[in-house]
Amino acid sequence: GNSVTQMEGPVTLSEEAFLTINCTYTATGYPSLFWYVQYPGEGLQLLLKATKADDKGSNKGFEATYRKETTSFHLEKGSVQVSDSAVYFCALSDPGANSKLTFGKGITLSVRP
Amino acid sequence: DAGITQSPRYKITETGRQVTLMCHQTWSHSYMFWYRQDLGHGLRLIYYSAAADITDKGEVPDGYVVSRSKTENFPLTLESATRSQTSVYFCASSADRVTNEKLFFGSGTQLSVL
Repeated sequence: GNSVTQMEGPVTLSEEAFLTINCTYTATGYPSLFWYVQYPGEGLQLLLKATKADDKGSNKGFEATYRKETTSFHLEKGSVQVSDSAVYFCALSDPGANSKLTFGKGITLSVRP
Repeated sequence: DAGITQSPRYKITETGRQVTLMCHQTWSHSYMFWYRQDLGHGLRLIYYSAAADITDKGEVPDGYVVSRSKTENFPLTLESATRSQTSVYFCASSADRVTNEKLFFGSGTQLSVL
């Protein structure tokens, strides 16, 4: 079946540090890949997505590249801000599985001033 | 404001009681979903609905019941609450099957079962 594996957290960084959050996936078909973000006290919001191999999704300074050869979709940001403190979820949507989303466990990012 | 709203925001109940969590969306989206969020498990799909009167089980449906008599509403009922159902519940909606990867989430209901 489909699954998404995220690196263990939480992650604590200083402002302006470089961020990488690892995500790997297992899927039977050709999935679309997503990063969702959950700010404190809120529901999840789509951060970025990529629908095919070698696509790069980007938004708000975050980037992730769909790597089919390594089945990965790592999230990166060059300089984090305190306002980036949130929980980040990697997810996939497999058209062969009714396009329902499968989420990773999420990772908490805390950015200190 | 248009959007997806959940109620109540917080709920405390006792083991064995019936509890209903409400979800309402104003976009007329076809698809609606219920997830629960637990530490160490992330988000797990409980039930989803492709349209009014069409519902299907997700990953963890046991102990839950849903209905979708109107497109805009998708209530989730815990028929006899158990402590293991203490969780944060999120409702979400999406426009259609092909592009339904973009889910719009409500703010969640934090449920405690004592």
